[in-house]
Amino acid sequence: RKEVEQDPGPFNVPEGATVAFNCTYSNSASQSFFWYRQDCRKEPKLLMSVYSSGNEDGRFTAQLNRASQYISLLIRDSKLSDSATYLCVVNPGNTGKLIFGQGTTLQVKP
Amino acid sequence: GAVVSQHPSRVICKSGTSVKIECRSLDFQATTMFWYRQFPKQSLMLMATSNEGSKATYEQGVEKDKFLINHASLTLSTLTVTSAHPEDSSFYICSARWDPYYGYTFGSGTRLTVV
Repeated sequence: RKEVEQDPGPFNVPEGATVAFNCTYSNSASQSFFWYRQDCRKEPKLLMSVYSSGNEDGRFTAQLNRASQYISLLIRDSKLSDSATYLCVVNPGNTGKLIFGQGTTLQVKP
Repeated sequence: GAVVSQHPSRVICKSGTSVKIECRSLDFQATTMFWYRQFPKQSLMLMATSNEGSKATYEQGVEKDKFLINHASLTLSTLTVTSAHPEDSSFYICSARWDPYYGYTFGSGTRLTVV
């Protein structure tokens, strides 16, 4: 079993749609969680950290369920510029290492 | 703030030669840097953790004699791919943590092609 699992997609949605991505992680002791965005042939960029209480940043909402070891990302009112690969990332401990999911590809179409 | 500069962005080299990739933290001190590799349509895989002033820690399956890491200062870490082969062709990215809560910053990556 992979340490961080995501549905690779692709998710093809029209502009304005709401789309949700899910991610599960295997290490129950994991301490911090992130969503990163990666554009084609570029480095990952932090989209948002994920907190137990859930957090929102504009059109983006992240949720964490520690009991189920599950993380989600909700994107509302999708824009063409949201097209990218979204990486679920987990820090399993104090070493600073990050474990990346395979990524979920989103394609927003006009 | 929290910028990591990575060079070169792209390199093509012949089989058997060595390639050095540099990562510099421009506006913060990075006692630890991380080196990742990403093959097409796959996720980033951690290769090694680079610690300033000490030996790097390599992940299982990564050959330390092939991927030489040097972290001689608080702002510079280098990865040297020695005796490169076509199967080493990949996207190599470095990363450093600049804040315990806001995640990590990544270099812009180096696309290595070995011919």
